[in-house]
Amino acid sequence: EVQLVESGGGLVQPGGSLRLSCAASGFTFSTYSMNWVRQAPGKGLEWVSHITSSSTTIYYADSVKGRFTISRDNAKNSLYLQMNSLRDEDTAVYYCARGSSGYYYDYWGQGTLVTVSS
Amino acid sequence: DIQMTQSPSTLSASVGDRVTITCRASQSISYWLAWYQQKPGKAPKLLIYKASSLESGVPSRFSGSGSGTEFTLTISSLQPDDFATYYCQQYNNYWTFGQGTKVEVK
Repeated sequence: EVQLVESGGGLVQPGGSLRLSCAASGFTFSTYSMNWVRQAPGKGLEWVSHITSSSTTIYYADSVKGRFTISRDNAKNSLYLQMNSLRDEDTAVYYCARGSSGYYYDYWGQGTLVTVSS
Repeated sequence: DIQMTQSPSTLSASVGDRVTITCRASQSISYWLAWYQQKPGKAPKLLIYKASSLESGVPSRFSGSGSGTEFTLTISSLQPDDFATYYCQQYNNYWTFGQGTKVEVK
């Protein structure tokens, strides 16, 4: 069974940093692209970042470019999101999602809440 | 950037109704469109990919159509479990979601 479990969320002050993790199981992690998607409270879904299976290609949404860094460790079946210079508007539930061969998202984690507030 | 616009934002319906949600892209995305269902406090769930392909395990009352810039998600006979928010997503050029359509009880 495919499982994606996010962790690392919490309360952080504006300007602070946080590192999210996503532990994958039930599939060959090293052969799939992975993504981060976020959802602000009461709002819709927003794509954040994408990383290919071997980390050769990485993309970011304009809203996080230069502040967030996506990475993965295929040996540990894990995906990461390093978030720096956090702003109030980064407050959201952050989901990791597996990219299918067609680049839609076929499995999602349960999400981890990041709250940026003083 | 490709913008995705869903309509309506909210839809009131009854069990057994035929429900249609529309998603329009600001430029052609061919058939690179997916639909997701999300219930409160839960992660989104994939329903349809490549505009009209039904994800394994998804009931056949869900169907998708369209290409280019206009797409629809249809629920042929609404069931109690289908009250939720639905999102379209383009994956032709990066990734963009529509703003969502909430299907609520009439």
